[in-house]
Amino acid sequence: AQSVTQLDSQVPVFEEAPVELRCNYSSSVSVYLFWYVQYPNQGLQLLLKYLSGSTLVESINGFEAEFNKSQTSFHLRKPSVHISDTAEYFCAVSEGSQGNLIFGKGTKLSVKP
Amino acid sequence: KAGVTQTPRYLIKTRGQQVTLSCSPISGHRSVSWYQQTPGQGLQFLFEYFSETQRNKGNFPGRFSGRQFSNSRSEMNVSTLELGDSALYLCASSLVWGVHNEQFFGPGTRLTVL
Repeated sequence: AQSVTQLDSQVPVFEEAPVELRCNYSSSVSVYLFWYVQYPNQGLQLLLKYLSGSTLVESINGFEAEFNKSQTSFHLRKPSVHISDTAEYFCAVSEGSQGNLIFGKGTKLSVKP
Repeated sequence: KAGVTQTPRYLIKTRGQQVTLSCSPISGHRSVSWYQQTPGQGLQFLFEYFSETQRNKGNFPGRFSGRQFSNSRSEMNVSTLELGDSALYLCASSLVWGVHNEQFFGPGTRLTVL
Protein backbone atom coordinates (compact mmCIF):
# COMPACT_ATOMS: atom_id res chain seq x y z
CA ALA A 1 0.00 0.00 0.00
CA GLN A 2 1.07 3.54 -0.62
CA SER A 3 2.44 5.67 2.17
CA VAL A 4 4.21 8.99 2.43
CA THR A 5 6.77 9.87 5.07
CA GLN A 6 7.81 13.42 5.82
CA LEU A 7 10.78 12.93 8.05
CA ASP A 8 10.71 16.33 9.76
CA SER A 9 7.61 17.64 11.48
CA GLN A 10 9.18 21.06 12.06
CA VAL A 11 12.02 22.88 10.29
CA PRO A 12 13.19 26.23 11.69
CA VAL A 13 15.53 28.25 9.46
CA PHE A 14 16.79 31.79 9.23
CA GLU A 15 15.77 34.07 6.40
CA GLU A 16 17.90 33.74 3.25
CA ALA A 17 19.16 30.30 4.31
CA PRO A 18 18.63 27.25 2.09
CA VAL A 19 16.08 24.66 3.09
CA GLU A 20 15.22 21.08 2.19
CA LEU A 21 11.98 19.41 3.24
CA ARG A 22 12.22 15.67 2.90
CA CYS A 23 9.60 13.34 1.50
CA ASN A 24 9.80 9.61 0.90
CA TYR A 25 7.06 7.40 -0.43
CA SER A 26 6.41 3.72 -0.81
CA SER A 27 4.74 2.31 -3.89
CA SER A 28 5.31 -0.56 -6.23
CA VAL A 29 3.90 1.16 -9.30
CA SER A 30 4.26 4.44 -11.14
CA VAL A 31 3.27 7.43 -9.09
CA TYR A 32 2.32 11.06 -9.39
CA LEU A 33 3.90 13.29 -6.75
CA PHE A 34 2.79 16.61 -5.31
CA TRP A 35 3.74 19.26 -2.81
CA TYR A 36 0.98 21.34 -1.27
CA VAL A 37 1.41 24.38 1.00
CA GLN A 38 -0.90 25.68 3.70
CA TYR A 39 -0.16 29.26 4.77
CA PRO A 40 -1.43 30.38 8.20
CA ASN A 41 -5.22 30.74 8.16
CA GLN A 42 -5.44 29.78 4.50
CA GLY A 43 -6.47 26.71 2.56
CA LEU A 44 -4.17 24.17 0.91
CA GLN A 45 -2.61 25.25 -2.36
CA LEU A 46 -0.74 23.19 -4.94
CA LEU A 47 2.94 24.20 -4.97
CA LEU A 48 4.26 21.84 -7.65
CA LYS A 49 3.71 18.40 -9.11
CA TYR A 50 5.53 15.64 -10.94
CA LEU A 51 3.49 13.67 -13.44
CA SER A 52 6.09 12.58 -15.99
CA GLY A 53 9.05 13.88 -17.97
CA SER A 54 11.80 15.91 -16.32
CA THR A 55 12.45 14.73 -12.80
CA LEU A 56 13.12 18.29 -11.63
CA VAL A 57 10.02 20.44 -11.23
CA GLU A 58 9.82 24.06 -10.17
CA SER A 59 7.25 26.37 -8.65
CA ILE A 60 6.75 30.03 -9.45
CA ASN A 61 8.07 31.16 -6.06
CA GLY A 62 11.50 29.54 -6.23
CA PHE A 63 10.85 26.09 -4.78
CA GLU A 64 11.93 22.99 -6.66
CA ALA A 65 11.58 19.26 -6.11
CA GLU A 66 13.34 16.33 -7.70
CA PHE A 67 11.79 12.93 -8.27
CA ASN A 68 14.28 10.21 -7.42
CA LYS A 69 12.81 6.84 -8.35
CA SER A 70 15.65 4.74 -6.97
CA GLN A 71 15.42 6.44 -3.58
CA THR A 72 11.62 6.83 -3.75
CA SER A 73 12.00 10.45 -2.73
CA PHE A 74 10.58 13.81 -3.75
CA HIS A 75 12.41 16.34 -1.57
CA LEU A 76 11.47 20.01 -1.74
CA ARG A 77 14.23 22.62 -1.81
CA LYS A 78 14.67 26.36 -1.92
CA PRO A 79 18.10 28.02 -2.06
CA SER A 80 17.06 31.12 -0.08
CA VAL A 81 13.88 31.32 2.00
CA HIS A 82 11.81 34.38 2.93
CA ILE A 83 9.69 35.12 5.96
CA SER A 84 6.65 34.70 3.72
CA ASP A 85 7.56 31.04 3.13
CA THR A 86 6.50 30.25 6.70
CA ALA A 87 3.79 27.63 6.26
CA GLU A 88 3.04 23.94 6.53
CA TYR A 89 4.13 21.85 3.56
CA PHE A 90 2.51 18.56 2.61
CA CYS A 91 3.91 15.94 0.28
CA ALA A 92 1.35 13.71 -1.48
CA VAL A 93 1.43 10.73 -3.82
CA SER A 94 -1.08 9.04 -6.09
CA GLU A 95 -0.77 5.75 -7.93
CA GLY A 96 -1.80 6.82 -11.39
CA SER A 97 -4.19 9.59 -12.33
CA GLN A 98 -7.28 7.85 -11.00
CA GLY A 99 -5.97 6.91 -7.60
CA ASN A 100 -6.60 9.10 -4.62
CA LEU A 101 -4.09 11.42 -2.97
CA ILE A 102 -2.17 10.05 0.01
CA PHE A 103 -0.69 12.85 2.10
CA GLY A 104 2.26 12.94 4.45
CA LYS A 105 1.81 14.34 7.96
CA GLY A 106 3.23 17.69 6.95
CA THR A 107 6.34 19.75 7.76
CA LYS A 108 6.01 23.13 9.44
CA LEU A 109 8.58 25.51 8.01
CA SER A 110 9.29 28.45 10.27
CA VAL A 111 11.46 31.19 8.79
CA LYS A 112 13.02 33.52 11.34
CA PRO A 113 14.48 36.98 10.66
CA LYS B 1 -13.75 33.62 -10.15
CA ALA B 2 -14.96 32.60 -6.71
CA GLY B 3 -13.03 29.86 -4.96
CA VAL B 4 -14.30 26.71 -3.31
CA THR B 5 -16.77 27.54 -0.59
CA GLN B 6 -17.67 25.35 2.35
CA THR B 7 -20.52 25.79 4.77
CA PRO B 8 -20.72 25.99 7.65
CA ARG B 9 -17.22 27.02 8.64
CA TYR B 10 -17.61 25.85 12.21
CA LEU B 11 -19.89 23.27 13.76
CA ILE B 12 -20.33 21.84 17.24
CA LYS B 13 -22.24 18.60 17.70
CA THR B 14 -22.62 15.96 20.40
CA ARG B 15 -21.91 12.27 20.16
CA GLY B 16 -24.57 10.27 18.39
CA GLN B 17 -25.82 13.17 16.29
CA GLN B 18 -25.42 13.41 12.56
CA VAL B 19 -24.03 16.27 10.51
CA THR B 20 -24.14 17.44 6.90
CA LEU B 21 -21.39 19.57 5.39
CA SER B 22 -21.69 21.39 2.10
CA CYS B 23 -19.18 22.24 -0.62
CA SER B 24 -19.64 24.45 -3.66
CA PRO B 25 -16.86 23.95 -6.22
CA ILE B 26 -15.31 26.57 -8.44
CA SER B 27 -17.63 27.38 -11.32
CA GLY B 28 -17.06 24.90 -14.15
CA HIS B 29 -15.36 22.31 -11.96
CA ARG B 30 -17.09 18.95 -12.04
CA SER B 31 -15.03 16.92 -9.60
CA VAL B 32 -15.22 17.26 -5.82
CA SER B 33 -13.06 15.46 -3.27
CA TRP B 34 -13.37 15.39 0.50
CA TYR B 35 -10.59 15.05 3.06
CA GLN B 36 -10.41 14.81 6.85
CA GLN B 37 -7.54 16.61 8.58
CA THR B 38 -6.62 15.82 12.19
CA PRO B 39 -3.42 16.47 14.20
CA GLY B 40 -2.89 12.75 14.74
CA GLN B 41 -3.74 11.25 11.35
CA GLY B 42 -3.00 14.22 9.12
CA LEU B 43 -4.89 14.58 5.84
CA GLN B 44 -6.89 11.54 4.83
CA PHE B 45 -8.91 11.07 1.65
CA LEU B 46 -12.61 10.40 2.15
CA PHE B 47 -14.15 10.22 -1.32
CA GLU B 48 -14.27 11.82 -4.75
CA TYR B 49 -17.32 12.57 -6.88
CA PHE B 50 -17.52 13.33 -10.58
CA SER B 51 -20.72 13.75 -12.56
CA GLU B 52 -22.79 12.79 -9.53
CA THR B 53 -21.00 9.43 -9.20
CA GLN B 54 -18.57 8.37 -6.51
CA ARG B 55 -15.33 7.58 -8.34
CA ASN B 56 -13.04 6.84 -5.46
CA LYS B 57 -13.39 6.07 -1.77
CA GLY B 58 -10.97 6.14 1.12
CA ASN B 59 -10.79 3.85 4.09
CA PHE B 60 -13.51 5.29 6.29
CA PRO B 61 -16.50 3.54 7.92
CA GLY B 62 -19.92 3.60 6.33
CA ARG B 63 -21.00 6.38 8.72
CA PHE B 64 -19.27 8.71 6.30
CA SER B 65 -21.19 9.23 3.09
CA GLY B 66 -21.49 11.83 0.40
CA ARG B 67 -23.28 12.84 -2.73
CA GLN B 68 -22.97 15.24 -5.60
CA PHE B 69 -25.74 17.16 -7.27
CA SER B 70 -26.23 18.00 -10.93
CA ASN B 71 -24.76 21.48 -10.38
CA SER B 72 -21.59 19.79 -9.01
CA ARG B 73 -22.24 20.95 -5.44
CA SER B 74 -21.47 18.23 -2.96
CA GLU B 75 -22.48 17.28 0.54
CA MET B 76 -20.95 14.88 2.98
CA ASN B 77 -22.80 13.35 5.88
CA VAL B 78 -21.49 11.78 9.04
CA SER B 79 -23.97 9.78 11.10
CA THR B 80 -23.71 8.67 14.71
CA LEU B 81 -20.91 11.09 15.47
CA GLU B 82 -17.99 9.96 17.61
CA LEU B 83 -15.47 12.09 19.50
CA GLY B 84 -12.81 10.99 17.02
CA ASP B 85 -14.73 12.61 14.17
CA SER B 86 -13.64 16.02 15.43
CA ALA B 87 -11.55 17.37 12.58
CA LEU B 88 -11.19 19.90 9.82
CA TYR B 89 -13.08 18.64 6.77
CA LEU B 90 -11.68 19.92 3.51
CA CYS B 91 -13.31 19.94 0.13
CA ALA B 92 -11.36 20.28 -3.10
CA SER B 93 -12.59 20.78 -6.64
CA SER B 94 -10.99 20.18 -10.02
CA LEU B 95 -12.11 20.49 -13.60
CA VAL B 96 -12.43 16.78 -14.20
CA TRP B 97 -11.78 13.50 -12.42
CA GLY B 98 -8.21 12.45 -11.70
CA VAL B 99 -5.43 13.73 -9.46
CA HIS B 100 -3.35 14.96 -12.39
CA ASN B 101 -5.81 17.82 -12.54
CA GLU B 102 -4.99 20.53 -10.01
CA GLN B 103 -7.23 20.38 -6.97
CA PHE B 104 -8.34 23.66 -5.42
CA PHE B 105 -9.10 23.45 -1.72
CA GLY B 106 -11.72 25.27 0.28
CA PRO B 107 -11.11 26.74 3.75
CA GLY B 108 -12.67 23.75 5.48
CA THR B 109 -15.38 23.09 8.02
CA ARG B 110 -14.15 22.70 11.59
CA LEU B 111 -16.29 20.04 13.29
CA THR B 112 -16.11 19.62 17.04
CA VAL B 113 -17.86 16.63 18.60
CA LEU B 114 -18.53 16.89 22.33
